[in-house]
Amino acid sequence: QVQLVESGGGVVQPGGSLRLSCAASGFTFSSYGMHWVRQAPGKGLEWVAFIRYDGSNKYYADSVKGRFTISRDNSKNTLYLQMNSLRAEDTAVYYCAKEQGYCSGGSCYSRYFDYWGQGTLVTVSS
Amino acid sequence: AIQLTQSPSSLSASVGDRVTITCRASQGISSALAWYQQKPGKAPKLLIYDASSLESGVPSRFSGSGSGTDFTLTISSLQPEDFATYYCQQFNNYPLTFGQGTRLEIK
Repeated sequence: QVQLVESGGGVVQPGGSLRLSCAASGFTFSSYGMHWVRQAPGKGLEWVAFIRYDGSNKYYADSVKGRFTISRDNSKNTLYLQMNSLRAEDTAVYYCAKEQGYCSGGSCYSRYFDYWGQGTLVTVSS
Repeated sequence: AIQLTQSPSSLSASVGDRVTITCRASQGISSALAWYQQKPGKAPKLLIYDASSLESGVPSRFSGSGSGTDFTLTISSLQPEDFATYYCQQFNNYPLTFGQGTRLEIK
């Protein structure tokens, strides 16, 4: 069965850094694109970042571009999110999500998120 | 970025009611839309993908329709476990975006 387990959340001061991890099991991790999605307390869902199955393509939300970096280690079945220059507005539960997509003509397209982790809370506060 | 606007933002209904939630995209997205259900303290759960395809294991009382800019999620007969928040999400292009959510409450 597919499992996604996030870790690395915690309390960090504004301007600080944190690295989140998402350990994947139950599927061939190296064959699927992966995403990070966050949810501020009491708010809706916000997509954060995507990485292609082989790590060759990445996309970011404008709100985190230049501060956050998504990466993966397919040998360890693990997804990462390096978060730098953290702000109070980055406070949220961060979820990793596995996508279903397809590739055609050298491009890959996301279709939906079929599995989500349980989330890890990041609190940015002094 | 493509904006998704859900309506209503909140809804009160009774067990057995038929409920429809609408998601409108700011530009055409073909059928590249998914619907998720989220309960408090839990991760979202996929219900519908490609606008109208029912995810395996999801009860048949859930259905989706639409293409282009207008989409609907319908629950044909509400069950107690359906009271939750529902989100649409577009996959037509990046950045991926979610609707603001529809909170479905017990009347």
